[in-house]
Amino acid sequence: QMQLQESGPGLVKPSETLSLTCSVSGGSISNSAYYWVWIRQPPGKGLEWIGSIYYSGSTYYNPSLKSRVTISVDTSKSQFSLKLNSVTAADTAVYYCASGGRGFFDLMVVWGKGTTVTVSS
Amino acid sequence: DIQMTQSPSTLSASIGDRVTITCRASQSISSWLAWYQQKPGKAPNLLIYKASSLESGVPSRFSGSGSGTEFTLTISSLQPDDVATYYCQQYNSFSGTFGQGTKVEIK
Repeated sequence: QMQLQESGPGLVKPSETLSLTCSVSGGSISNSAYYWVWIRQPPGKGLEWIGSIYYSGSTYYNPSLKSRVTISVDTSKSQFSLKLNSVTAADTAVYYCASGGRGFFDLMVVWGKGTTVTVSS
Repeated sequence: DIQMTQSPSTLSASIGDRVTITCRASQSISSWLAWYQQKPGKAPNLLIYKASSLESGVPSRFSGSGSGTEFTLTISSLQPDDVATYYCQQYNSFSGTFGQGTKVEIK
């Protein structure tokens, strides 16, 4: 049973870079059947797909965030990461990592539990 | 961008009732629509993909239908465990946009 676990700072200052890591267990991050995805959910609001990466390093980003987002993968550590720069209070959210499957980089099949990130000075 | 609109925003029904949630896309997305269930304080869980395909392990009381721009999620007999917010999501084009959610409560 595949499991994903997010980790990273829970508090980030405005204008700085938010950095999160997702650790994958119970399955290979190099499995060609999966994409690796970041999604977020501001408090009391809906879901927003941030972007996805394939084990080969190919990336797909939400156009609304593309200028600030970098997603990378480290197959040796079975981890993939999110960097979001120049953060503001609007980036305060629960951040989820997930596996994208069935041939789609934005169809989330297995989700992590999520981690709360607050942007505040 | 493709916009996804769900209705209603909140739904209150009795145990055993048939419940239907509607999701409309601003342009055709063929059948590239998913439904997720999110219980309070938890991560979302995939229920339905490709508009009508039931994800493994999901109870058969959940079903999905539709194509093009109009889709429905039906719970055939509402159970206490179904209290949650339900989101539709299109994965036809970049941005993978979600609907705003429908909160299902027990009357």
